[in-house]
Amino acid sequence: QQQVKQSPQSLIVQKGGISIINCAYENTAFDYFPWYQQFPGKGPALLIAIRPDVSEKKEGRFTISFNKSAKQFSLHIMDSQPGDSATYFCAARGNNYGQNFVFGPGTRLSVLP
Amino acid sequence: DTGVSQNPRHKITKRGQNVTFRCDPISEHNRLYWYRQTLGQGPEFLTYFQNEAQLEKSRLLSDRFSAERPKGSFSTLEIQRTEQGDSAMYLCASSSWGAGAATDTQYFGPGTRLTVL
Repeated sequence: QQQVKQSPQSLIVQKGGISIINCAYENTAFDYFPWYQQFPGKGPALLIAIRPDVSEKKEGRFTISFNKSAKQFSLHIMDSQPGDSATYFCAARGNNYGQNFVFGPGTRLSVLP
Repeated sequence: DTGVSQNPRHKITKRGQNVTFRCDPISEHNRLYWYRQTLGQGPEFLTYFQNEAQLEKSRLLSDRFSAERPKGSFSTLEIQRTEQGDSAMYLCASSSWGAGAATDTQYFGPGTRLTVL
């Protein structure tokens, strides 16, 4: 129940294209859903986050879509750039059993020039 | 500003040795988290502190692992009698939790990569 599933495992997109990464969860107690970007040898960096009371949040080229009834959320990267090539992790935080984050297994994104 | 810092960045040790890692959080942050990340996986929660109190520990944290945050500032993670399965990246994160900080945004350090031979 604490698991967060993420797909695809890897993604190759042409420069200027749209990258879409999907996540799904089971635990309805999750109340905060961040996305992290990680470059090799670095720690994860917060990209964008959403709470379940909104269905979409946009920050620049990055958009989170959230479907509470389906318990799914996704990250859309518009106009993907080679510099976006990194591993992306979705995560979820529960508010009634602990304050730790549960991370998905990650998606390795490669944006071709 | 200084973000979250971790030392050392890399540690190579022999099986059976003890190792200790240090994390310095962002100065005004009252929460500090430890995660472990293996290749190709997302970070796995180990434990977290609010100020100097250790509030939660994962069952992944065997009795060979111990973490402290004695003055509510920096934290140390010690692994005793290391095993090859302990080889991983150990990540520290910090956040500000309290009135007005409803999202508990966690900021990660660069990690300490442990290799156990």
